[in-house]
Amino acid sequence: GAVVSQHPSRVICKSGTSVKIECRSLDFQATTMFWYRQFPKKSLMLMATSNEGSKATYEQGVEKDKFLINHASLTLSTLTVTSAHPEDSSFYICSAPTNGAGGANVLTFGAGSRLTVL
Amino acid sequence: AQSVTQPDIHITVSEGASLELRCNYSYGATPYLFWYVQSPGQGLQLLLKYFSGDTLVQGIKGFEAEFKRSQSSFNLRKPSVHWSDAAEYFCAVGAHSNDYKLSFGAGTTVTVRA
Repeated sequence: GAVVSQHPSRVICKSGTSVKIECRSLDFQATTMFWYRQFPKKSLMLMATSNEGSKATYEQGVEKDKFLINHASLTLSTLTVTSAHPEDSSFYICSAPTNGAGGANVLTFGAGSRLTVL
Repeated sequence: AQSVTQPDIHITVSEGASLELRCNYSYGATPYLFWYVQSPGQGLQLLLKYFSGDTLVQGIKGFEAEFKRSQSSFNLRKPSVHWSDAAEYFCAVGAHSNDYKLSFGAGTTVTVRA
């Protein structure tokens, strides 16, 4: 089945530094990928839609200069948290649409990346 | 816009007992409904989905869910839980079959005791 791989699974960084998280579709091409943020005991919040070959679409309230998204190829999207601060600490998850039964697409999720900013 | 409520934050169930997780949605038209499971430190795995047709949907790992339009509900059930079913469960709703901007509920944590 379709697999979405995220790397790194865990990262700890100092305040003020930037961190890059990669999301790869391993056995399929994804022209679109989605980035979510998950707070403890909270649901997933869609941050942005990553589009191959064009700019990402950000959800309302998400700082595009803070969370840089690049969709470099049909199998890779990256999220860079710039000048990270402790409040950026969270669990970040990516997903990509894959073909489901009946022709409808479903989302395949990566395993997530735990970011801790000291 | 659509929204989802999962009334139960945490459920503890004995191994072998039945499990039911509640999900209520708010959406004016026919919803597209999903249940996902998240194991600790893992991404989300699709358990089942409802797009149309039979309102009782069978999923993986022995789970099923029933869509009840009159109650705006899409409750998840399993007749006999296994210790490996301990996880976080999320209900989600979309506006159509290719709507990727799903609205997720806050999740229900399931603990399985021996």
